[in-house]
Amino acid sequence: EPEVTQTPSHQVTQMGQEVILRCVPISNHLYFYWYRQILGQKVEFLVSFYNNEISEKSEIFDDQFSVERPDGSNFTLKIRSTKLEDSAMYFCASSPGIASYNEQFFGPGTRLTVL
Amino acid sequence: AQTVTQSQPEMSVQEAETVTLSCTYDTSESDYYLFWYKQPPSRQMILVIRQEAYKQQNATENRFSVNFQKAAKSFSLKISDSQLGDAAMYFCAYRSADADKLIFGTGTRLQVFP
Repeated sequence: EPEVTQTPSHQVTQMGQEVILRCVPISNHLYFYWYRQILGQKVEFLVSFYNNEISEKSEIFDDQFSVERPDGSNFTLKIRSTKLEDSAMYFCASSPGIASYNEQFFGPGTRLTVL
Repeated sequence: AQTVTQSQPEMSVQEAETVTLSCTYDTSESDYYLFWYKQPPSRQMILVIRQEAYKQQNATENRFSVNFQKAAKSFSLKISDSQLGDAAMYFCAYRSADADKLIFGTGTRLQVFP
């Protein structure tokens, strides 16, 4: 069964460094999402992406964050200058359509540790 | 703003028994969807069951069923004949009919004992 994959599984970086988290959504899906979960807190929506542009974003998704679909398969989240509070598990998700009943398929996550 | 609350951080159940996980939500919207996701240890979240708010009938998927009380804004998950493989973190989630994002609760960790 097709799955969303994410790399790396764990990323350690120094504060102020740029990181790129990578995701390969399910191949025929059209909508892509990033969520994050700070340890001990809720899973929070960051951004949704469709047709090569941001569809919706949360207040967390400020100018330090950007998303891109550089080719037909990858979907990336870039954090330009990481802060300690960016340490979290980052989940990528994809869905075949935008209808609210559509299931969002999640990847296993990338654990980002900012030192 | 919509919120989702899961008041049970941890639950446990004996194999073959039934367990109910609670979820309440707050919204002023009339059109929305509710989901239960399961996250096994070190694995991705997978959808267990979904409910459309406009449907009065409770959703069922094999051993999983929900008790959807729209007026009370309650959406509990019942797992019947619990199996060891049901052990996981369970997340309740809300999605507006006109929004992209899922809004999650804090999760309930379910342990299943043989």
